[in-house]
Amino acid sequence: GQNIDQPTEMTATEGAIVQINCTYQTSGFNGLFWYQQHAGEAPTFLSYNVLDGLEEKGRFSSFLSRSKGYSYLLLKELQMKDSASYLCAVHNDYKLSFGAGTTVTVRA
Amino acid sequence: DTGVSQDPRHKITKRGQNVTFRCDPISEHNRLYWYRQTLGQGPEFLTYFQNEAQLEKSRLLSDRFSAERPKGSFSTLEIQRTEQGDSAMYLCATSGGDNEQFFGPGTRLTVL
Repeated sequence: GQNIDQPTEMTATEGAIVQINCTYQTSGFNGLFWYQQHAGEAPTFLSYNVLDGLEEKGRFSSFLSRSKGYSYLLLKELQMKDSASYLCAVHNDYKLSFGAGTTVTVRA
Repeated sequence: DTGVSQDPRHKITKRGQNVTFRCDPISEHNRLYWYRQTLGQGPEFLTYFQNEAQLEKSRLLSDRFSAERPKGSFSTLEIQRTEQGDSAMYLCATSGGDNEQFFGPGTRLTVL
């Protein structure tokens, strides 16, 4: 079975940093994706981690620890447009298993 | 715009009616996936095609659901005898040689 957990909601101030944690217990693992999804829109790709460690891409960074079944997405210098749902997804063979998503609200 | 298109974007139907959705993938992508997403949840895997072959169907996909991908290009997802519980966003995603899946804008189904 697949069990992927992430917090339901987070709130932060414009310009701040927010860290979204994701823990997983899955029957297989090839890598871990993070997607951003604005309300009513399709998910868009943010990052993909296969090996342990930190991947940095502009204001967004993603970390993976395979031994702990743990990942986080770090959003720096938050902007109002970052208000969205952030989805953690485990890649197993060809398909993705998603968490329920974390709704991030950025306040001025 | 990821290059994956879906039609229609919205569909309202009455319970018991049949509906069909279409997905047009990025042209060079040989893998195509259907997901279903309900409010407050992440997408749930429904089915997967590699070229024209349907390689897996989720247990979520009851006998009322059928998907096709003739000629390995566009795909259709049909729901027969719709139920109110079928109301959801139906997402199509495609991928090529790497692992990233590109999502279409989705079809939002409302069953009255």
